[in-house]
Amino acid sequence: QTVVTQEPSFSVSPGGTVTLTCGLSSGSVSTSYYPSWYQQTPGQAPRTLIYSTNTRSSGVPDRFSGSILGNKAALTITGAQADDDSDYYCVLYMGSGIGVFGGGTKLTVL
Amino acid sequence: QVQLQQSGPGLVKPSQTLSLTCVISGDTVSDNSAAWYWIRQSPSRGLEWLGRTYYRGKWYSEYAVSVKGRITINPETPMNQFSLHLTSVTPEDTAVYFCARFEDWRGHFDSWSQGSLVTVSS
Repeated sequence: QTVVTQEPSFSVSPGGTVTLTCGLSSGSVSTSYYPSWYQQTPGQAPRTLIYSTNTRSSGVPDRFSGSILGNKAALTITGAQADDDSDYYCVLYMGSGIGVFGGGTKLTVL
Repeated sequence: QVQLQQSGPGLVKPSQTLSLTCVISGDTVSDNSAAWYWIRQSPSRGLEWLGRTYYRGKWYSEYAVSVKGRITINPETPMNQFSLHLTSVTPEDTAVYFCARFEDWRGHFDSWSQGSLVTVSS
């Protein structure tokens, strides 16, 4: 069974740049997996940040960007702000109706 | 614009069944380019996929290994909604539960319910 992998935790200084990644336990992530990214604050509904690799969802600031880096999908936050301190999840499209979550990355901004 | 409105009790006793319903507006549960998920969030497990139901000429319901054997997700086409039933709950099932729509065209979750805290306690 293929597992979607993410860094468990990351930290960034305010104003800094951080790149979170989303990989596969076996194989490479490509645009065919339509990687998407979600920001989740405990108790609140996840917020869709990026879909189809690099399309920002409506209202998402342009400091969030998505890409493929090497064999992984990536979420880059440029100019991190205090309210970016949150959990981030990627989802990969694995077939009709099937989206598989990564384990999430806890991002600390300090 | 698809909207999802979930409902159900906020407190369930241990060993009983947790039941939630998600009403869909702006789409139909039988849309053959969408899938309907139940997902929960807890401090110990983060965001956890529980199961999904979707129609592709026939109905499919698939479940996470972590809850398989205890979970049923049913589409309810006349009411345009889908339901979650989780049996034999324990305090470990205490979490905020969400329903969500996954759409095939761009392969992502594009609609979420507001979520509700379900506490398992006597």
